[in-house]
Order: sequence, then structure tokens, then C-alpha cells
Amino acid sequence: ELKVEQNPLFLSMQEGKNYTIYCNYSTTSDRLYWYRQDPGKSLESLFVLLSNGAVKQEGRLMASLDTKARLSTLHITAAVHDLSATYFCAVDRDDKIIFGKGTRLHILP
Amino acid sequence: NAGVTQTPKFRVLKTGQSMTLLCAQDMNHEYMYWYRQDPGMGLRLIHYSVGEGTTAKGEVPDGYNVSRLKKQNFLLGLESAAPSQTSVYFCASTLQEGPEAFFGQGTRLTVV
Repeated sequence: ELKVEQNPLFLSMQEGKNYTIYCNYSTTSDRLYWYRQDPGKSLESLFVLLSNGAVKQEGRLMASLDTKARLSTLHITAAVHDLSATYFCAVDRDDKIIFGKGTRLHILP
Repeated sequence: NAGVTQTPKFRVLKTGQSMTLLCAQDMNHEYMYWYRQDPGMGLRLIHYSVGEGTTAKGEVPDGYNVSRLKKQNFLLGLESAAPSQTSVYFCASTLQEGPEAFFGQGTRLTVV
């Protein structure tokens, strides 16, 4: 059974700092997703990672995938308040997309 | 282009009542999913479908039924609602080869 674990589940950080969110999963995957969710809103796709060593960057966010370690990271560079949200990783395997519990990110001015 | 549309957006049910949530997508996606989101639990997969006429159980299927009679629609039914089914429900769809899943705006359901 596919399990997806994120850590930390909650992160409070200062503007301007760097930090990394980790996503571990228990079996091989077809693709890995990162989503952002603002309070009361739906999910917004950030990245889709398909292969080992894949790295994608958008603004202050960078995602990477290590399929051998079954690990993906979402790195935040020089955080700004607008990045405050909940971030989810999700793994696609055997036609199912399974989500982690999410990381609630709070960026302090 | 509407994307993924969920109906209704809000609903209050009494325990024991039934209802159906509708998910409609206009992107010709093969795969469709129903999730529930509860505080601290992330999104949990209820049921999913890989094509018209097919459905399969996800992580938390008990108490729910689904149907996919048309490719563009995926219905989630609650036959006898329970307070434990109070949640926000999200529908999503994707092509078989991806690359990403698109989500509806969610349905906030309260069972009293």
C-alpha cells in the first residue's frame, strides 16, 4: 500500500530565510506532484516530476525528485509572506493519486 | 474553458439523508477522482475512475458510492449521511498520461 509522508507538518519561518519540505513515499511511483492550497481554496498545481533527478523551479520554489531514495523536496529560497499556504505532495501509482498530509507554511514578516 | 466544476458548493444534510455530488470536466480527461479533506488529514482518496463505465475504491470508500456513466461526469453519492462525513469534498481529473491533475473548487458538506 502506497504511503506518502511529509515533514514537517507545520513550519513557521521568517521572511528571507531558506527552508526545505520533505516528501517520502513507500513504493515506486509513476509521477510526483506538488500542490499549493490557500485557506478555503482549491489546489493549485506547482510541479510535476516524472523521472529520477528531475528538478523544476518556479520563482522562489524548487522541487526535486530522487526515485531511488523515494524522496522529493520542495525548497523555498528567501521566503516572502505571499508563500504562506499549505503545500501538498502527491504520488501517482497504479492509477491512484495519494496525498501526504500537507505542510502548513507560515511566513512571518 | 470551465475545467472541473463541482455542484453544489455548499450543502447541509440531516443524518440519514441522501445526496449526490456532481463533478463535471470539459477537458476530455479519462481519469477522475473524489477526495475528502479533513483538518490535519490531507486529502484522502474515496473512489476513482479510469474511464467511462469504470470505478474503483480508494483509501476511504465506506459510506460512499460513485458512478461514471458519461466520460465527463463523475458522481459521488451518500446513501445515508453520517456526521463523520462532514468534510470538504474535492473532485479532480487528469489524462491517463498526465501530466497534472486539475481540481474542482470543492463542496463543503455538513451533516447534522
